Amino acid sequence: KAGVTQTPRYLIKTRGQQVTLSCSPISGHRSVSWYQQTPGQGLQFLFEYFSETQRNKGNFPGRFSGRQFSNSRSEMNVSTLELGDSALYLCASSIAGQGHLTGELFFGEGSRLTVL
Amino acid sequence: GDSVTQMEGPVTLSEEAFLTINCTYTATGYPSLFWYVQYPGEGLQLLLKATKADDKGSNKGFEATYRKETTSFHLEKGSVQVSDSAVYFCALKYGTASKLTFGTGTRLQVTL
Repeated sequence: KAGVTQTPRYLIKTRGQQVTLSCSPISGHRSVSWYQQTPGQGLQFLFEYFSETQRNKGNFPGRFSGRQFSNSRSEMNVSTLELGDSALYLCASSIAGQGHLTGELFFGEGSRLTVL
Repeated sequence: GDSVTQMEGPVTLSEEAFLTINCTYTATGYPSLFWYVQYPGEGLQLLLKATKADDKGSNKGFEATYRKETTSFHLEKGSVQVSDSAVYFCALKYGTASKLTFGTGTRLQVTL
């Protein structure tokens, strides 16, 4: 069974640009969530999508947005990039909300964004 | 709000030593508790979980018990291997939600 796939794995952008990251969840998983990992702030929840609807949102500015498609694939977008957006962005998929209590999360390998 | 506190790392042990990584939490409700592991250059992998008080999660020789009275979920392993070298994260979440609250992570380095 294929795992969570994130693309691209590495990318370099400059301040002011925007970036789009993609995540393909495990087949059958309808929940996709995104996390930002930095050395200073650790792992922080960005948002979760379930059946194409944002179900939960973390404490990030509006420059961070996402969406989910009918096939459960998700994208996140960061506009007007800042140096502090340099991070590893992790996507996780889950069967949460599909009748399973704990809905454990399965993570992809991440997209490492460097902002210059 | 909810929070997870882990012991500061790095933790350096010799192979076959006993491992304990402390984790305590503050929660407004009754969360499920998790340990995730991150190997260099990789994403997070679920190591073990416990969904209610007194549950013990175990996997690959690692164990952790959900202690409601001490709000703790300490990770233990009787004999570590070099291949256990990684960063370990304690986390909590509620029910079917996908929002995990993570601790800061503890780096484990195991030497021969």
